Amino acid sequence: EAQVTQNPRYLITVTGKKLTVTCSQNMNHEYMSWYRQDPGLGLRQIYYSMNVEVTDKGDVPEGYKVSRKEKRNFPLILESPSPNQTSLYFCASSSRGRSYEQYFGPGTRLTVT
Amino acid sequence: DAKTTQPPSMDCAEGRAANLPCNHSTISGNEYVYWYRQIHSQGPQYIIHGLKNNETNEMASLIITEDRKSSTLILPHATLRDTAVYYCIVRRSDNNAGNMLTFGGGTRLMVKP
Repeated sequence: EAQVTQNPRYLITVTGKKLTVTCSQNMNHEYMSWYRQDPGLGLRQIYYSMNVEVTDKGDVPEGYKVSRKEKRNFPLILESPSPNQTSLYFCASSSRGRSYEQYFGPGTRLTVT
Repeated sequence: DAKTTQPPSMDCAEGRAANLPCNHSTISGNEYVYWYRQIHSQGPQYIIHGLKNNETNEMASLIITEDRKSSTLILPHATLRDTAVYYCIVRRSDNNAGNMLTFGGGTRLMVKP
């Protein structure tokens, strides 16, 4: 089954404790992105990748890092999480030829206290 | 990317057609109209897209006015599972910067028994 998976689905952590949210897709997609969703602000792109070893900032990259060492994986790293990073996070992927048709993961609900 | 305007909410009776409007009066000639939906806190799901001709797939139909300044997404026989937030997005079909989808406020469709 074609899918995007994220782990963990729920996470409660404390300020400053480094964490990683994993994202994996099994569709051999070139493009991958991370979004965060907050009430009243909609979905905002954090980082994106157009291929292995190619990443760039989206609209709200501050406080986040990403890497793309393999085509299927695109982890999101919070080196020192803060309460304002409490949010619902989505990973998405798409093929180069149909970049508008993004497949989203199930989401990761992160709470930073 | 052109800005879109959608009503914040709509109700529809189960089994009836749901018609969701979207205004995009500043759309450019090379921009497509895309529709996504998000069922409560799940990842957004691609529905359909079009340029100027009406489009239909297994999920919905898309009607675009001749001047392309507005469109309507039609769910022909709405079910309770169609209750979701529906997003109308306008952008070029090729990869724009960061392959970003810009989600506005969307329309919250409530399908009632």
